[in-house]
Amino acid sequence: SQTIHQWPATLVQPVGSPLSLECTVEGTSNPNLYWYRQAAGRGLQLLFYSVGIGQISSEVPQNLSASRPQDRQFILSSKKLLLSDSGFYLCAWSLFEDTQYFGPGTRLTVL
Amino acid sequence: QKEVEQDPGPLSVPEGAIVSLNCTYSNSAFQYFMWYRQYSRKGPELLMYTYSSGNKEDGRFTAQVDKSSKYISLFIRDSQPSDSATYLCAMSASSGNTGKLIFGQGTTLQVKP
Repeated sequence: SQTIHQWPATLVQPVGSPLSLECTVEGTSNPNLYWYRQAAGRGLQLLFYSVGIGQISSEVPQNLSASRPQDRQFILSSKKLLLSDSGFYLCAWSLFEDTQYFGPGTRLTVL
Repeated sequence: QKEVEQDPGPLSVPEGAIVSLNCTYSNSAFQYFMWYRQYSRKGPELLMYTYSSGNKEDGRFTAQVDKSSKYISLFIRDSQPSDSATYLCAMSASSGNTGKLIFGQGTTLQVKP
């Protein structure tokens, strides 16, 4: 069966510091991978998606970036965090159908 | 106008009640419809997945899609306190590599013992 991991689970970072969130998927090959952000009381905002190694599509222009160095690894990064980057970051995977499966999430607080 | 509208609630019901959660949408191209359940501080988990119009039942949960009205529903029978969570509807127009989903805002449900 497939499993998706995210770490860290919780992160508190000062404004202007860098960020690296990691997501890995087990039990499947060549998944589509997604990064979402969920702000308090709001819906899911798609940030990036990837259909293969090195292939990244950005949905929202901002100071975040994503990379996919391996088939089942997806990384979300920032060089300098803003207060507005606080939120709940979710990684998801899917195969060719539209159903997406989510990871446990990373709660990021920028102070 | 948002592509997907969902009443954020909160919705509070007594244990054992039938719960109806709904979403409306504007894009007639949507064909794939999903319901996710999200407990506090956890990632969403897939509850129901339907294609096109019709009903789908899984235990106490029934998903309905009415494409003519651009309206989808999730019914929960014999609701339990463990059903207390936020329920997100999601939909997409195409099957294929990207599979980008459009989510509703989520409805918070509280089932009181």
